[in-house]
Amino acid sequence: GQNIDQPTEMTATEGAIVQINCTYQTSGFNGLFWYQQHAGEAPTFLSYNVLDGLEEKGRFSSFLSRSKGYSYLLLKELQMKDSASYLCAVRDGNYQLIWGAGTKLIIKP
Amino acid sequence: EAEVAQSPRYKITEKSQAVAFWCDPISGHATLYWYRQILGQGPELLVQFQDESVVDDSQLPKDRFSAERLKGVDSTLKIQPAELGDSAMYLCASRTDSSHSGANVLTFGAGSRLTVL
Repeated sequence: GQNIDQPTEMTATEGAIVQINCTYQTSGFNGLFWYQQHAGEAPTFLSYNVLDGLEEKGRFSSFLSRSKGYSYLLLKELQMKDSASYLCAVRDGNYQLIWGAGTKLIIKP
Repeated sequence: EAEVAQSPRYKITEKSQAVAFWCDPISGHATLYWYRQILGQGPELLVQFQDESVVDDSQLPKDRFSAERLKGVDSTLKIQPAELGDSAMYLCASRTDSSHSGANVLTFGAGSRLTVL
């Protein structure tokens, strides 16, 4: 079967750095997405990786290793508004999106 | 900024009643998805449309759920009869086309939160 694993919950301090990991086992791979979802709201797109390496976008960076089936989302200079769930999703060999359960990130002052 | 419109935002109903959700995707977006998201879980695909045609409804509980996109624009998801386990957020998402090039990301609507009593 196909599955995506992410930690259920993480806690970090305002101003700090946090890394959210995602491991996946899918039938084929055609890209990995990270979405942010605030409580009670819709997911919003953060990043897309299809090749190995690091993609940087402001305070957020995403890394991919296809050989290891592994990605992480790195959030720097954490702000209270970053408190949200972060969803990892993989587009499989049939171009279907497989979603992880999400990581709830709690930011403390 | 273009948005995916959904209504209602909140719906409370009793079990065995019928409920319907509406979605209007971003103009020009040919591909439309309905997802169900239970609290603390990732989105679960219910149905995917390409224009007016169903591409994937393998996870749609067809004994009680139905979805249509008659003119290839807006879409309706119906549940009849609703059961307690249907309580969830129902998310609609769209993207420009079925092309697999690049990110071609999904844009989600604000969702319809259903509570079945």
